[in-house]
Amino acid sequence: AQSVAQPEDQVNVAEGNPLTVKCTYSVSGNPYLFWYVQYPNRGLQFLLKYITGDNLVKGSYGFEAEFNKSQTSFHLKKPSALVSDSALYFCAVRAMNYGGATNKLIFGTGTLLAVQP
Amino acid sequence: DGGITQSPKYLFRKEGQNVTLSCEQNLNHDAMYWYRQDPGQGLRLIYYSQIVNDFQKGDIAEGYSVSREKKESFPLTVTSAQKNPTAFYLCASSPGGWTRDEKLFFGSGTQLSVL
Repeated sequence: AQSVAQPEDQVNVAEGNPLTVKCTYSVSGNPYLFWYVQYPNRGLQFLLKYITGDNLVKGSYGFEAEFNKSQTSFHLKKPSALVSDSALYFCAVRAMNYGGATNKLIFGTGTLLAVQP
Repeated sequence: DGGITQSPKYLFRKEGQNVTLSCEQNLNHDAMYWYRQDPGQGLRLIYYSQIVNDFQKGDIAEGYSVSREKKESFPLTVTSAQKNPTAFYLCASSPGGWTRDEKLFFGSGTQLSVL
């Protein structure tokens, strides 16, 4: 079955420290991967995507993500966390069928990032 | 939130009542989506529409209905058949729905609760 796993419900990090939010996926073929962020009582905002090319993808607000095909992972990273980064982060993968990529996104359950001052 | 307006922000439903959530976009996007968000479950797709007058069921369509009479509007009706409607509902759109690297643009959501 196609799926996305975010193994941590919450990640705590001190401001100024590096952060990592983990994501692993399971789809057939080449994956199309996304990260979204959700602030309280708001919709999701796109952060970055991996389609093909360099395994390190840079996105909005200083975030980046590393695609690792052998480990089927797409971890979100930032070198120096800010208190304002505190939010709910969702990893997503585009579902595939026999015809290739579909227009359906499969979302993980989300990871709450808490950055302490 | 990227030109997508959801209303109302909060909605309460009585037993046996149908309620309709509004979603309007001014992005000229062809594709629109409805997701349901429950704590600890991520987002689940209810319905999506790739073009006017056409829509498809998602993973959890039972108890819901939609229409797509205009490009900019994709209302969701939560019917009395939906026995557990309390959730945060998110509407989204994308330019065409066909390209693999398209990102979604989300509205601010509607919190639906049962009285």
